[in-house]
Amino acid sequence: DQQVKQNSPSLSVQEGRISILNCDYTNSMFDYFLWYKKYPAEGPTFLISISSIKDKNEDGRFTVFLNKSAKHLSLHIVPSQPGDSAVYFCAATRGSGDTPLVFGKGTRLSVIA
Amino acid sequence: GAVVSQHPSRVICKSGTSVKIECRSLDFQATTMFWYRQFPKKSLMLMATSNEGSKATYEQGVEKDKFLINHASLTLSTLTVTSAHPEDSSFYICSASTLAGGPSSNEQFFGPGTRLTVL
Repeated sequence: DQQVKQNSPSLSVQEGRISILNCDYTNSMFDYFLWYKKYPAEGPTFLISISSIKDKNEDGRFTVFLNKSAKHLSLHIVPSQPGDSAVYFCAATRGSGDTPLVFGKGTRLSVIA
Repeated sequence: GAVVSQHPSRVICKSGTSVKIECRSLDFQATTMFWYRQFPKKSLMLMATSNEGSKATYEQGVEKDKFLINHASLTLSTLTVTSAHPEDSSFYICSASTLAGGPSSNEQFFGPGTRLTVL
């Protein structure tokens, strides 16, 4: 049973436009959510996170929105750049840092110049 | 930010041999380290949770006698793949969380990963 789902395995966006990556979760105990970016043959790189007490967190071109009632979060990248092309993983956890992250399967974003 | 290193970054070994992968937190102390494995076209799968000074907790389906995990200090955890077989070929990634509490402790800092190829 997948607790974190990224239903779109891939997404193509034109450079300069908005990229929206979606993530759904089923475990209502999750209270902290993170997005990671991963290039081939490298470890994931932390992008942005959001606590369940917030519904939006913004960092430069990246904004994460959280809808707790729908158990849904999304990552917006504006404007998209070719260097953003990578696989994006949504992850969720609960409690302190001693609990593991539960990852979605990832969405491959391709930003076309 | 916190830095986690892994060594080696890439290893090729013969079937039947053992391989040790190190995960180090370079500038912070990590009470807990996690080992993940990435399968092609799949997400990162948690293999085990490693706490300093105690036995690792393995996820269902992960053979603890095959994937030996040792967390000897607050900055080092090792994963040893024993009697490796070609199906063990994969990308192994560790992560570490800090001792600090609060929301930031939910972040996990990932190592760069180790590509294991078993011939």
